[in-house]
This record gives sequence, structure tokens and C-alpha cells, in this order.
Amino acid sequence: AQSVAQPEDQVNVAEGNPLTVKCTYSVSGNPYLFWYVQYPNRGLQFLLKYITGDNLVKGSYGFEAEFNKSQTSFHLKKPSALVSDSALYFCAVRDMRNYGQNFVFGPGTRLSVLP
Amino acid sequence: ETGVTQTPRHLVMGMTNKKSLKCEQHLGHNAMYWYKQSAKKPLELMFVYSLEERVENNSVPSRFSPECPNSSHLFLHLHTLQPEDSALYLCASSQDLQGAMDTIYFGEGSWLTVV
Repeated sequence: AQSVAQPEDQVNVAEGNPLTVKCTYSVSGNPYLFWYVQYPNRGLQFLLKYITGDNLVKGSYGFEAEFNKSQTSFHLKKPSALVSDSALYFCAVRDMRNYGQNFVFGPGTRLSVLP
Repeated sequence: ETGVTQTPRHLVMGMTNKKSLKCEQHLGHNAMYWYKQSAKKPLELMFVYSLEERVENNSVPSRFSPECPNSSHLFLHLHTLQPEDSALYLCASSQDLQGAMDTIYFGEGSWLTVV
């Protein structure tokens, strides 16, 4: 079965510093990978996705993610963090072999950007 | 604005009440989902509908009853709930269940408190 791991429950970074939120995946076949952000008391918002092509994917709010096939990773990055980036971040993989449950989400990583 | 609208945003209900959560998507999608998000727990997929047909029922207790009258609307009927059912209930939609490039989009959620 496909799976997603987010090895860090919490990431703290100072405002203005680069941030990385880690994600590793396990899939059979081609990986379809996604990042979502959840601000307090809100739903999940789509940030970016990797389907095929360039390993560096650019998304909303200045975020980008790097797909690394050999390391089976899809880490979310931003060159300069803002306090407003503080939120819960979810990595997800699309399991095309499972008709019903085919979006598999990681447990989430809480990002705190300190002023 | 997400394209997926959920009402009510907040609901407090007693254990003997009957209430419903409503979801409407304005994206022309064919698949709709209900997720449950509890504190300190991963996202739990509850139900999946494709073209108004239920394709997944993830061992959800019968006190939760979904209804999908058309591809734009999804309801979650609630009756005789327990306090542990208090959570954020998220509705989502995607174009189809089999489109590899599809993205899943979420509503803002309905906060349910069972007293």
C-alpha cells in the first residue's frame, strides 16, 4: 500500500530563515505527490503537486517542493519564512491502484515561524 | 473562497439530537469525500462518492449517514452521536477518482461538538 511519512511533528524556524518540511513516500509505480496547508480553524488548502517533469515544483505563497526519486522524498521548502506561514502542513500521495481511498495523507507537521 | 462550501461552520448538538452537515462544490467535480479530523490524530477518510454512488465506507459507525443527491451536493446526517465524535468534519471534492493529475480540494470544515 502507498504511504506517506512526515518525520517531524513540529518544525520551528526564525522569520526570514529558510524552511524545510520533510516528507517521504512509498509507492508502487509513478508517484503523484501533493502538499497542503491548514491554517487554524480552516480547511486544507492546496499548495502544490508533482505529477511528472521538473523535480522542483513551485506553488502558492512562495513555497516550492523538491522531488527526489532516489531518496523517495518530496520536501517542502521556502527561502524566507514568514510568521504567517505558521500552520499545519500535510503531504499526500495519490494511490492510483486504490479506487476509493486514493489520496493518502501524512500525519501533518506543525510549522512555527518565530518573529 | 475554496470552491467547496460547508455549512454550518460550527454545530453543537446533544447526544439525542439529529442534525446534518451540508457540503456543496462549485467546481464541476464528480467525486466527493467526507473526512474526520480529530485533535492529535491523522485525517480519517469516512466516505467517498463518485457520480453520486458511494464507493467507500471506511468502517464508519451507522450513526453517521451520508447522502449524495447529485454530484454537487453531499450531506452527512448525524444521529445519537457520542462525545468522542466531536471533531472537524471536512468535505472535499476531486474531478474523478481515476484522474492521476487530479487535485483534491477541501472545504473550510464544520466544527462539531457533541455534548
